[in-house]
Amino acid sequence: SQTIHQWPATLVQPVGSPLSLECTVEGTSNPNLYWYRQAAGRGLQLLFYSVGIGQISSEVPQNLSASRPQDRQFILSSKKLLLSDSGFYLCAWSDRLAVYNEQFFGPGTRLTVL
Amino acid sequence: AQSVTQLDSHVSVSEGTPVLLRCNYSSSYSPSLFWYVQHPNKGLQLLLKYTSAATLVKGINGFEAEFKKSETSFHLTKPSAHMSDAAEYFCVVSNSGGYQKVTFGIGTKLQVIP
Repeated sequence: SQTIHQWPATLVQPVGSPLSLECTVEGTSNPNLYWYRQAAGRGLQLLFYSVGIGQISSEVPQNLSASRPQDRQFILSSKKLLLSDSGFYLCAWSDRLAVYNEQFFGPGTRLTVL
Repeated sequence: AQSVTQLDSHVSVSEGTPVLLRCNYSSSYSPSLFWYVQHPNKGLQLLLKYTSAATLVKGINGFEAEFKKSETSFHLTKPSAHMSDAAEYFCVVSNSGGYQKVTFGIGTKLQVIP
């Protein structure tokens, strides 16, 4: 069966510090991968998606970047965090070959920028 | 273009009474529709999905949803609420096939009163 991992689970960082959040998927190959941010009262915002190694698309301009160094690894980064980067970050995957391909979510990372 | 509207940001029901969470969508394609549930500080879990096979879809934990094309609705229901149903629920629309363009609703917080 497939599983998706995210770490860390929680993170408190000062403004201006760097960020690296990691997401890995097990039990599947060539997944589509996604990063979302969930801010209080604002639903889910798609930040990045990837359909393959090294292929990253950004949905919104922002202070963050993403990378996919391996097929089942997706990393969210920032060089200098802003207060507005606080939120709950969710990684998800979907089966690229499935026609009706629901997304499967990781447990999330709660980021607080002080 | 596609969009999804969750008509209620908060719903409060008494334990043992029916639950109705409303969702309307628009899509240029034949859509796939999903309901996800999120408990506090957790990832999203798929409750059910509509993929054109049947208009009445049954999901986990006693939830079901009916796809009504004429009303462009996909409301989530449950005959009898349980305390463990208290969570946030997201309605999601997705285009079928290719890169999965997914749009999340803003979410509905369900409160269950003992």
